[in-house]
Amino acid sequence: AQTVTQSQPEMSVQEAETVTLSCTYDTSESDYYLFWYKQPPSRQMILVIRQEAYKQQNATENRFSVNFQKAAKSFSLKISDSQLGDAAMYFCAYRTGLSGGGADGLTFGKGTHLIIQP
Amino acid sequence: DSGVTQTPKHLITATGQRVTLRCSPRSGDLSVYWYQQSLDQGLQFLIQYYNGEERAKGNILERFSAQQFPDLHSELNLSSLELGDSALYFCASSVQPRAYGYTFGSGTRLTVV
Repeated sequence: AQTVTQSQPEMSVQEAETVTLSCTYDTSESDYYLFWYKQPPSRQMILVIRQEAYKQQNATENRFSVNFQKAAKSFSLKISDSQLGDAAMYFCAYRTGLSGGGADGLTFGKGTHLIIQP
Repeated sequence: DSGVTQTPKHLITATGQRVTLRCSPRSGDLSVYWYQQSLDQGLQFLIQYYNGEERAKGNILERFSAQQFPDLHSELNLSSLELGDSALYFCASSVQPRAYGYTFGSGTRLTVV
């Protein structure tokens, strides 16, 4: 079974600065997808960014980018120019790439609470 | 609005009771997933349905059950409720292809007193 580990329960960053959230995962699969979800105080789960394992290029969405190191099984999220609205829980998640009739649910890490200091 | 609708948003009930949580997936999505998020926990996968059929089970208690109906909406039934069942219950539906991940509903906050 796959596991996802987020080793930073809480991170704090000054507004406008850059912060990196860490995520490692364990899998024997070669085809899979990785995601970062944001959960603000409203508790809504919001997809921030996704990465296909077969793509070497790191995904980028505006101020959010990832550092995907497949061999190291590492998938960190970098937030540039941090804004007050970025304050939230951030969850790293893994999804198998296997096709067929099997399960394709997400496996989540326990989350990192990001605090933005004004 | 994510397109995934969960009702009710809040539910308060007593121990020993039974409740039903409802989820309508995004239009066109065939897969529905249920997750439980307790106070100090991440999201725990409960169960997955695809086009009316159960596809996978996670850490779902025997007191819990679910089903997906022909119109693709899903219901999660929680019975003999205990204080520890108090949690946020999320439903998500899957966008195809797989790479796009899930779209989550806003959750149902269940409080057992």
